[in-house]
This record gives sequence, structure tokens and C-alpha cells, in this order.
Amino acid sequence: QTVVTQEPSFSVSPGGTVTLTCGLSSGSVSTSYYPSWYQQTPGQAPRTLIYSTNTRSSGVPDRFSGSILGNKAALTITGAQADDDSDYYCVLYMGNGIWVFGGGTKLTVL
Amino acid sequence: QVQLQESGPGLVKPSETLSLTCSVSGGSVNSGSSYWSWIRQSAGKGLEWIGRIYVNGGSTNYNPSLKSRVTISVDTSKNQFSLKLSSVTAADTAVYYCARDHIWVGVLLLPFDCWGQGTLVTVSS
Repeated sequence: QTVVTQEPSFSVSPGGTVTLTCGLSSGSVSTSYYPSWYQQTPGQAPRTLIYSTNTRSSGVPDRFSGSILGNKAALTITGAQADDDSDYYCVLYMGNGIWVFGGGTKLTVL
Repeated sequence: QVQLQESGPGLVKPSETLSLTCSVSGGSVNSGSSYWSWIRQSAGKGLEWIGRIYVNGGSTNYNPSLKSRVTISVDTSKNQFSLKLSSVTAADTAVYYCARDHIWVGVLLLPFDCWGQGTLVTVSS
């Protein structure tokens, strides 16, 4: 079964820029996987940040952006703020009705 | 605005069947894309997609790693869909979420735009 890979953890300074990635154990991520990104804080359901590669969900600040970088999907946070300290998950559509989440990245802002 | 609410036993014995229901309010399970999913998250772990149902036709898709134990069904008269997971073990202990599988925004696919709050199911004797 295909594994979706994410960095387990990342750290960024307040005001800094960080790029989280979402890859495949085999192959390259493209727009046809409809990569989407979610932010989750403890005890809460995930919140959609980015869908279909690079479209921000309603109400999401423009410091969050999505793209394809090389063979991976990417989430970039520009000007990180303290409340960006969260877990981030990507999900890819594998076709045939199957979704696969990445393992998540724990982002620390300090 | 569509809202989802999971319900079901919080404690299930090993080898038994976990059963959860997701009640949909503010909309119909038949509306929009009509696809509805279950997702789970073990303590301190990541999200795992369990499977989905397409209401208009009843077709289902399951995570291959869980397929032999999972059944997702829908009751349109109650505006609910359900999850059954058989032969559970401690490894199935998790917060279980129901979610709208996706909607189309023009030509763009927006997955899991609506989530329930989640319900903790513990597998223990």
C-alpha cells in the first residue's frame, strides 16, 4: 500500500517561513492527487487550510499557501505566528475512491 | 451549514463489533456530492481514512488495510450513516470522526470540508 510521507516535526521562529512537504513512498505527487492540507490542534477536529493543491479554504489567512515542489506537495507558512503551532496533515486522492493521509507534521513555533 | 455528530458506545470489548452512527443536520445526506466518510485517530497518532459511502447508489470504498472488517451503511430516512468495525482489538482504540467526503468547488475538489467533533472508542475488556 502506498505511504504518504510528511516530516514528523519542524520548528520555525515567529515571523519566519517554513515549508512542509507531502510525498509518496513511490512516485511523485501531482495535482491529480488533489493534495489538501489540514491543521489540527489538540482535542479538535482538523480544519481545512488548502485544497486541490493551492486553493485556500474560506477564512484561511494568506500566509498559508500550497504548491507542488519537485515531486511533492508543499504547504508554506510565511510569517509564522504563535497560533500556527499545531499538527499539519496532508491527504491525497489515490483514485478508485481511496484517500490516504500523511503521518502528519508537528510544527513548533518558538 | 451542514453539521455532523457521532454517537455510539465509548467502550467495546475485544473481538466484538464497534458500531457508530453519524447524524447529519443542516442538510441532507442525499445532497451535494453525497459521499460520506469515516476517519479515525489513535492517541498521539495521525489520521487514518477508514472508508466512505456514496448515498445515491450505496457504493462503498474502504481502506485496504481495514476492508475485511469494515462496513459503512446509510439510512436516508434518518439522515444518518453508520460504521461497523468487526473483531476489534486494542489497536482500534481511537477517536472516530465522521466527515463529508468531498464537495466540488467548480473544478476543484475539496475533501473533508465538514467534520463531526469526534468520539472516543476504547477497546478493552
